Amino acid sequence: AQSVTQLGSHVSVSEGALVLLRCNYSSSVPPYLFWYVQYPNQGLQLLLKYTTGATLVKGINGFEAEFKKSETSFHLTKPSAHMSDAAEYFCAVSTYGNKLVFGAGTILRVKS
Amino acid sequence: DTGVSQDPRHKITKRGQNVTFRCDPISEHNRLYWYRQTLGQGPEFLTYFQNEAQLEKSRLLSDRFSAERPKGSFSTLEIQRTEQGDSAMYLCASSTTGTSYEQYFGPGTRLTVT
Repeated sequence: AQSVTQLGSHVSVSEGALVLLRCNYSSSVPPYLFWYVQYPNQGLQLLLKYTTGATLVKGINGFEAEFKKSETSFHLTKPSAHMSDAAEYFCAVSTYGNKLVFGAGTILRVKS
Repeated sequence: DTGVSQDPRHKITKRGQNVTFRCDPISEHNRLYWYRQTLGQGPEFLTYFQNEAQLEKSRLLSDRFSAERPKGSFSTLEIQRTEQGDSAMYLCASSTTGTSYEQYFGPGTRLTVT
């Protein structure tokens, strides 16, 4: 069975500071990994994905994530936070592109 | 490409009533997924279709829940005899089969059972 753990249900950063949201996964087969963002009362928007190949993946809005197999991690980073980044972020795993298994989410707060 | 649409966006119903939600996927997508999201949690998988075939159902999907995708296009999710515990956001997503399997989500239907 697959699972995702997101460390920190709430993360607070100052505007312009580094954003780091942590995600660890468990999967018995090579995983597909995803980060989604959700704004209040909206659906989920795909930020970036890892399937195969390059382990550092870049997504929209300046976000990137690195797949580290040895650490079973897929942490999300952004060099400089913007107020518009305040939202809830979900890490998810799937095998062979089937159902997504999500973490519990991390709410990002950006302070001015 | 108009994205995934869901109808209604909000539904308030009384306990014991039946409700039905509709999802229209992105037109060329052959896979359609339903998820449920409760407050403070990540979405949980309910079921998915490839074309009109329902390929997997979660054990979360009790016999009060049924989903259909009769012509391989739109899908409906029906909940019979609603309970207060059914209150949640119901999300629909669609994807193609291929190398990336990215799932694109609709805005969701928020169900409140009173």
